[in-house]
Amino acid sequence: GQQLNQSPQSMFIQEGEDVSMNCTSSSIFNTWLWYKQDPGEGPVLLIALYKAGELTSNGRLTAQFGITRKDSFLNISASIPSDVGIYFCAGQLRAGGTSYGKLTFGQGTILTVHP
Amino acid sequence: NAGVMQNPRHLVRRRGQEARLRCSPMKGHSHVYWYRQLPEEGLKFMVYLQKENIIDESGMPKERFSAEFPKEGPSILRIQQVVRGDSAAYFCASSPLSPSPHEQFFGPGTRLTVL
Repeated sequence: GQQLNQSPQSMFIQEGEDVSMNCTSSSIFNTWLWYKQDPGEGPVLLIALYKAGELTSNGRLTAQFGITRKDSFLNISASIPSDVGIYFCAGQLRAGGTSYGKLTFGQGTILTVHP
Repeated sequence: NAGVMQNPRHLVRRRGQEARLRCSPMKGHSHVYWYRQLPEEGLKFMVYLQKENIIDESGMPKERFSAEFPKEGPSILRIQQVVRGDSAAYFCASSPLSPSPHEQFFGPGTRLTVL
């Protein structure tokens, strides 16, 4: 099956710093999604990317869909304490017709922000 | 508009008992996905359902696990004769047919503990 490698596994940063994390895949995806998960909760969708090369922002978050369709990155600018959590990338390969396929998740990046 | 709802949030079972996990998708969403998350890991796809149909069950264990999404009522993930290895967080996600069928929205999860 498809494998997603997400890095780094964890990051410890100071409040105000920028953060970058990325995912690479052994094969292509049609859609990349980035989620954040807080302890004891479900993942919350942050950004969705639909086209190779696409660059999308959501507030202080910016994500890009790699040209090769095998990678994506997420940047967080000017981090704040509430950015703490686990960030997951997820790739989706459309199954055709009205079937929108399963998500394949990366292993997650644990972000710690020191005030 | 209420989000994806899952119940129970926590479920404790003894080995050999049955576990039933329920998921109510967001209003207007006709696609439901189930994922399993082990501690400190990413989510792993289990099954994808539309109303009364299983679309993709490639991630479901062949034995003891079943899922349904009836015409009326929530989607149910059923685990028969649970074993300790079934202990995990189980998440349900839903997506609309349009305009953004690629985007999956997650519920808060059910944490299953098998004693």
